Amino acid sequence: GAGVSQSPSNKVTEKGKDVELRCDPISGHTALYWYRQRLGQGLEFLIYFQGNSAPDKSGLPSDRFSAERTGESVSTLTIQRTQQEDSAVYLCASSPRVSGYSYNEQFFGPGTRLTVL
Amino acid sequence: AQKITQTQPGMFVQEKEAVTLDCTYDTSDPSYGLFWYKQPSSGEMIFLIYQGSYDQQNATEGRYSLNFQKARKSANLVISASQLGDSAMYFCAMRELSQGGSEKLVFGKGTKLTVNP
Repeated sequence: GAGVSQSPSNKVTEKGKDVELRCDPISGHTALYWYRQRLGQGLEFLIYFQGNSAPDKSGLPSDRFSAERTGESVSTLTIQRTQQEDSAVYLCASSPRVSGYSYNEQFFGPGTRLTVL
Repeated sequence: AQKITQTQPGMFVQEKEAVTLDCTYDTSDPSYGLFWYKQPSSGEMIFLIYQGSYDQQNATEGRYSLNFQKARKSANLVISASQLGDSAMYFCAMRELSQGGSEKLVFGKGTKLTVNP
């Protein structure tokens, strides 16, 4: 079946502009995560969705970052008034959240590479 | 807060030999899970192996095995019979349980593995 998809794959924007990044999770996956990966670094957690609610937003770096999710489907990460330090790869992951399992694997999308000039 | 440390920025191995990638972790939770992911140059995150803190045996998946030493808080990845396609970044991660059922992953900075022919 189809995996997690993200669009656009690359985005170049000017400082101060707003950007929207899209994630299409695997069908039926109720959990959705956004991560950020700066150059040469590991992934940093941003936000977690269960269905269309976001009970864990603890990783959002500032109020310029927001995200929403439509039901158990598409999620959009919005960055307002972009800054150069926002340049990174933004990855989305979805998970089935099956109870009773020892762990729920997160399936990652290919990421969106954001460059802020 | 949980923390993952990967002390090897880069590792080299000859094709067909085994290699060990180091990972140490810090947590006060008695129940935790450890993951290894592979990230090729194309950027996708590929799940390799999982180890639960209460698992009695070290995890194995094909050529991948996890050398789990709980008292030392280490979870090293062993790749046997290295192949050229194993050249990639490797990330160790720990599951952190949080609000609303979040199972966010905390990542180390990664190790770049190069397999030489």
